[in-house]
Amino acid sequence: GNSVTQMEGPVTLSEEAFLTINCTYTATGYPSLFWYVQYPGEGLQLLLKATKADDKGSNKGFEATYRKETTSFHLEKGSVQVSDSAVYFCALTDPIKAAGNKLTFGGGTRVLVKP
Amino acid sequence: NAGVTQTPKFQVLKTGQSMTLQCAQDMNHEYMSWYRQDPGMGLRLIHYSVGAGITDQGEVPNGYNVSRSTTEDFPLRLLSAAPSQTSVYFCASGATSGGGDTQYFGPGTRLTVL
Repeated sequence: GNSVTQMEGPVTLSEEAFLTINCTYTATGYPSLFWYVQYPGEGLQLLLKATKADDKGSNKGFEATYRKETTSFHLEKGSVQVSDSAVYFCALTDPIKAAGNKLTFGGGTRVLVKP
Repeated sequence: NAGVTQTPKFQVLKTGQSMTLQCAQDMNHEYMSWYRQDPGMGLRLIHYSVGAGITDQGEVPNGYNVSRSTTEDFPLRLLSAAPSQTSVYFCASGATSGGGDTQYFGPGTRLTVL
């Protein structure tokens, strides 16, 4: 079956540091890949996505590139802020299956940015 | 446009009690789903619906029922609550069942079963 593996946290950084969260996946065919973010006490919201190989998703200074050859979708941000403290989830949907909008999530990575 | 709304925000149940978690969306979305979030396990799919009158099971459906009588509403029923159902529950919706579609999540319901 499909699966998503992401680095365990917590990741603690200082403000303006570089952030990388690794994400690798196992899936049949060509899944769509997502990063969702969950701020404290809130639901999940889409951060960025990529729907085909070599696509780069970007939003709010975050970027991730869909690498089919390494089955990866690593999240990066060049200079984090305290407001980026949250839990980040990597996820995929499998377009081969019917009802292809079913999301498979990684375990989440908690990021804490200190001033 | 309220997006996806969920009620209640918090709930405490005793083992064996039943209850319904409410979910509604005002975006005329075709696809709706329920996930549970447990520490270190990400979110796992409980049930989903591709349109009114159509539902199907996800990864962890046991102990839960759903129905979809309207496009807007997708309630989740716990038939006989168990401590293993202590979790945070999220409802989500998407415009279509297409795999690349963005899904929108509600704020969650934190459920404790004693």
